[in-house]
This record gives sequence, C-alpha cells and structure tokens, in this order.
Amino acid sequence: ILNVEQSPQSLHVQEGDSTNFTCSFPSSNFYALHWYRWETAKSPEALFVMTLNGDEKKKGRISATLNTKEGYSYLYIKGSQPEDSATYLCALGNTGGFKTIFGAGTRLFVKA
Amino acid sequence: DAEITQSPRHKITETGRQVTLACHQTWNHNNMFWYRQDLGHGLRLIHYSYGVQDTNKGEVSDGYSVSRSNTEDLPLTLESAASSQTSVYFCASSVKAGVNEQFFGPGTRLTVL
Repeated sequence: ILNVEQSPQSLHVQEGDSTNFTCSFPSSNFYALHWYRWETAKSPEALFVMTLNGDEKKKGRISATLNTKEGYSYLYIKGSQPEDSATYLCALGNTGGFKTIFGAGTRLFVKA
Repeated sequence: DAEITQSPRHKITETGRQVTLACHQTWNHNNMFWYRQDLGHGLRLIHYSYGVQDTNKGEVSDGYSVSRSNTEDLPLTLESAASSQTSVYFCASSVKAGVNEQFFGPGTRLTVL
C-alpha cells in the first residue's frame, strides 16, 4: 500500500512569516507529484504538478520543489497572508495503476 | 464553462437505506473518482473509472458501488447506509489519471442516522 506522508499536520504562523511543509512518498514507480490548496467549505484546487526530479514550480508567493530520488517535495509560502489559511494536500501519481494517492494534508493557520 | 457538479449537497438518511449520490462533469474527462473526507484521513479513494463501462475499487470500497454508463456521470450508491458512512463525499475528474490535476466537485455532506 502506497503511503504519502505530510508534515506537520498543522501549523500556526503570523502574517508575514515564511513557512514550508514537507510531503514524503515512496520513490518507486513515481509518475507525478501534485499539490492542492483546500480552503474550508470549498473543494481542493490544484496548485502544481511536478514530474521531473529537481522540478521547481512557482505561483506568486507559493513555490514547490521535487526530489524523486529521495521521495520528498517541499511547499514554500513566502510572507504568509491570512488568505493563505487552508489545508495543503500533496498527492502522488504512480505508474502502478495510475491512481492518485493523497496525503492527509497540512493545515495552515495564518494570524493577522 | 466546463464544470463538475454533485447532488444533493446535503443528505440525511437512515441506517439501512439505499442512497445514491450524483456526480456530473462537462469536462469530457475519461477519468472520474469518488473520495470520502474524514477527520484525520484526508481524502480516501472509494471507486474510480477510466472510461465508460469501466469501474474499479479504491481503498475504502466496501458498502459502495458505482456505474459508468456515459462519460459525464459517475453515480455513487450506498447499498445499505451505515453510520460509519457519515462523511463528506467528493467527486473528481481528470484528463489522465495520476498525471493531470483532478477537478473536484463541491462535495456532498451525508449523514446516516
């Protein structure tokens, strides 16, 4: 059974702080790594998809990196704002069946 | 604009009843998925489909079934609802499973009394 681990489970930061979370996954049969942003009472929305070792993606103040050899991805938020408060999910797409396995998420709270 | 919708948005039912949750997408995606969201578990895959007439079990499929008679719809049926199936259910679709992003519906909150 594939396991996608995210840490920390939750995080409280002050407005303006920069922060990062980790997603760990089994590196065998890797196909793609996804990050989603999930606001309370809404649906998850895709942020990034990365497929190559060393990939880096950026969208505004949010960026992500990928290491497929050691099986981890980092998501960074620079200068956190209250509107960044959400659950950040990572998801592994693998070649064994082409399913997407989601981690449990990191819940970010940004205090003004 | 293409979208993915779910109905009903909220449902209360009794133990033992059959319940069907609808999912409809206009993206023309071949791949569709059903997840449940429970505290501490994130999203868990119930069933998925790679195309018409194709259905597959996910990690928590017991007590659920799906059918795929056309590209647009993947209804989820709870054969005999149990209190353990109280949850929020999300439907999603994607171009290519595992690689492309999934587009999620708004969710259905199901309560089984």
